[in-house]
Amino acid sequence: QKEVEQNSGPLSVPEGAIASLNCTYSDRGSQSFFWYRQYSGKSPELIMFIYSNGDKEDGRFTAQLNKASQYVSLLIRDSQPSDSATYLCAVNRSGYSTLTFGKGTMLLVSP
Amino acid sequence: NAGVTQTPKFRILKIGQSMTLQCTQDMNHNYMYWYRQDPGMGLKLIYYSVGAGITDKGEVPNGYNVSRSTTEDFPLRLELAAPSQTSVYFCASSYGSSDTQYFGPGTRLTVL
Repeated sequence: QKEVEQNSGPLSVPEGAIASLNCTYSDRGSQSFFWYRQYSGKSPELIMFIYSNGDKEDGRFTAQLNKASQYVSLLIRDSQPSDSATYLCAVNRSGYSTLTFGKGTMLLVSP
Repeated sequence: NAGVTQTPKFRILKIGQSMTLQCTQDMNHNYMYWYRQDPGMGLKLIYYSVGAGITDKGEVPNGYNVSRSTTEDFPLRLELAAPSQTSVYFCASSYGSSDTQYFGPGTRLTVL
């Protein structure tokens, strides 16, 4: 099993809909979880991080963490065409000095 | 605050040539990282550093070398460039290992 897994997509949603992006991880001791957005040809930029079980909201974005089930998700409400990008999930595994990144999910929001 | 800066933005190398990719951060971060990203693939860690004078290998270190003489700078050296090193290279930094990583704009390298 890969350390951090994401569906590669593309995930296609219409403008105004809710986009749901999922990420599972294998290390039960993982401590911190990050969602990055990467536009084509650009570098990754942080959207949100979450450390505790439950939901964390920031504007149109909500990160959800369930450590028992070992998944973290990102919900994007009122999706906009400008949200079209690849979304990378990253996990800080216990005992590691680095983040482990998933391969990313491509999101396409159609007008 | 410039954040993380990388030079050059683009470079074309011939097989067997060498070059150094520069990375500088002005956030006084302890941790610095080098990643490569191939088309449609995720980020693969090449090397990282937890502080000046300390470096360690990541997932794909072969063909690369690094040094960290100051907190701010973390250059990546390619010796004897090969076509397999054609990729986009990102430098990143963070305060601690579990903290947010901030990425530079990347260097697009082609080896012909």
